[in-house]
Amino acid sequence: QKEVEQNSGPLSVPEGAIASLNCTYSDRGSQSFFWYRQYSGKSPELIMSIYSNGDKEDGRFTAQLNKASQYVSLLIRDSQPSDSATYLCAVTPGSARQLTFGSGTQLTVLP
Amino acid sequence: EAGVAQSPRYKIIEKRQSVAFWCNPISGHATLYWYQQILGQGPKLLIQFQNNGVVDDSQLPKDRFSAERLKGVDSTLKIQPAKLEDSAVYLCASSPTGNPNYGYTFGSGTRLTVV
Repeated sequence: QKEVEQNSGPLSVPEGAIASLNCTYSDRGSQSFFWYRQYSGKSPELIMSIYSNGDKEDGRFTAQLNKASQYVSLLIRDSQPSDSATYLCAVTPGSARQLTFGSGTQLTVLP
Repeated sequence: EAGVAQSPRYKIIEKRQSVAFWCNPISGHATLYWYQQILGQGPKLLIQFQNNGVVDDSQLPKDRFSAERLKGVDSTLKIQPAKLEDSAVYLCASSPTGNPNYGYTFGSGTRLTVV
């Protein structure tokens, strides 16, 4: 079982819709959870972090964490074509000192 | 604040040749990471430095990869000899401390193609 799993997609949504990206992790001791956005040919860029159960909102982005289900998600409201990118979920497993990344979900927002 | 600097941006080499990548982290950042990202996959940690000491190199293929951070600032990652499967983007990241719970900042990466 991979430490961090994401649906590889690709995921396509129309402009203005809500995009929902999901991630599960295997280590129950994981403490911190991150979403990075990576445009094609570019490096990952941190967009959201979440540390406790519940929702965290930042503009059009909402991160949701459920530690009991070992599940973290990212919602993008009012999706724009500029949101088209690969979204990487990253986790700090309990005993680790680095981030572990999922394989990413490719999102395309159609005009 | 200047970001994480990496060079070169692109490199094409033949298999069995050697190659080196350079990274200069954000000023004052004690922790430096090298990640390998193969096309279609997420970044995978190769090595982590805290100042000039190695914290974790458990996933570094030590028969061909080496890295150093001699003065606790910039770092060099070397591959010798390169294999076709080393074709990837090599990402350098830094953080102020060794605590990963605040995320970290990536450089623009070096895209390596081995032919």
